[in-house]
Amino acid sequence: DTGVSQDPRHKITKRGQNVTFRCDPISEHNRLYWYRQTLGQGPEFLTYFQNEAQLEKSRLLSDRFSAERPKGSFSTLEIQRTEQGDSAMYLCASSPGQETQYFGPGTRLLVL
Amino acid sequence: AQSVTQLDSHVSVSEGTPVLLRCNYSSSYSPSLFWYVQHPNKGLQLLLKYTSAATLVKGINGFEAEFKKSETSFHLTKPSAHMSDAAEYFCVVSAPSNDYKLSFGAGTTVTVRA
Repeated sequence: DTGVSQDPRHKITKRGQNVTFRCDPISEHNRLYWYRQTLGQGPEFLTYFQNEAQLEKSRLLSDRFSAERPKGSFSTLEIQRTEQGDSAMYLCASSPGQETQYFGPGTRLLVL
Repeated sequence: AQSVTQLDSHVSVSEGTPVLLRCNYSSSYSPSLFWYVQHPNKGLQLLLKYTSAATLVKGINGFEAEFKKSETSFHLTKPSAHMSDAAEYFCVVSAPSNDYKLSFGAGTTVTVRA
């Protein structure tokens, strides 16, 4: 059990650029979640997967955001045409079904 | 619907003294409750969880929390604070009615004075 990993840990981009983040869950965890945390706030749910199926997307997730989990293993979160308001920590978590979620270290995004 | 209210945004204690972080929850179904800790520039680490077993839950690093249904509370305590306890703490609720998605409180920042 190597834990949840995320890549990159930090990303600085210019407004209008596209960015992609990767999350590798704990092996054999069939659920994978994405959360966003802005400064001074608790994380907010964005979307989640059961194996490769995306089960729900929060209303926080605009059309510029897309997430995938091909083959039910790692997941990617892409933000197109980034805006300064997208600056946040993006957290990934995995769980073995309807159990405790284990979090990765997060990807901190800064949009200039 | 489910939500969490952390009653203190910031708590400051002296090293060796007790810590109390207060949390009230709202859930339309039997909830699971968690406390997570986040050290600066780190991810979230699970401290402890309540899932309808014993109402007094013991976690890592000497922390414990008590589930009180009548008060809809899940306060976190530690008898003696250590410098390494300085961090952000989040109270979290989930429920089957919300497919176990987590709802976080706004967080409590703990500072520990030497």
